[in-house]
Amino acid sequence: SQTIHQWPATLVQPVGSPLSLECTVEGTSNPNLYWYRQAAGRGLQLLFYSVGIGQISSEVPQNLSASRPQDRQFILSSKKLLLSDSGFYLCAWAGLASTDTQYFGPGTRLTVL
Amino acid sequence: AQKVTQAQTEISVVEKEDVTLDCVYETRDTTYYLFWYKQPPSGELVFLIRRNSFDEQNEISGRYSWNFQKSTSSFNFTITASQVVDSAVYFCALSGSSGGYQKVTFGTGTKLQVIP
Repeated sequence: SQTIHQWPATLVQPVGSPLSLECTVEGTSNPNLYWYRQAAGRGLQLLFYSVGIGQISSEVPQNLSASRPQDRQFILSSKKLLLSDSGFYLCAWAGLASTDTQYFGPGTRLTVL
Repeated sequence: AQKVTQAQTEISVVEKEDVTLDCVYETRDTTYYLFWYKQPPSGELVFLIRRNSFDEQNEISGRYSWNFQKSTSSFNFTITASQVVDSAVYFCALSGSSGGYQKVTFGTGTKLQVIP
């Protein structure tokens, strides 16, 4: 069966510091991968998606970037965090068909102070 | 453009009551998929159900049931005999044809509180 991992689970970072969040998927190959952000009390905002190694698409302009160095690894980064980057970050995977279901990881709660 | 509306921001019910969470969607796609996810306090989104636009049969899974009506563009979710463990935020979502990846539009969620 497929499993998706995210770490760290929680993170408190000062403004201006770098960020690296990692997401890995087990039990599947060539997944589509997604990063979402959920601000407190709000819905989900798609940040990035990837259909293959090195292929990253950004949905919204922002202070963040994403990379996919391996087939089942998806990384969310920032060089300098802003207060507005605080939130709950969720990684998701899905199969290759555009109609496949997205399955989510446990999330990372980021607080920028 | 796709849109999902969950008009109920928060609902409180007493344990054992039935509760229905509303979801209304908009899409121009003829083929699309509808989803419900549960987000407990721990934060992880848990997949509950997926329906395609050609299957309007209602579905029941234990205490959960879903009513899909294309005529009203609705995909409502009913919990029968609610329990405290049902307390969570529930998201309705819509996915259409996007050519290569799953373009999912989420509603803003309905927070359900089940009071013992």
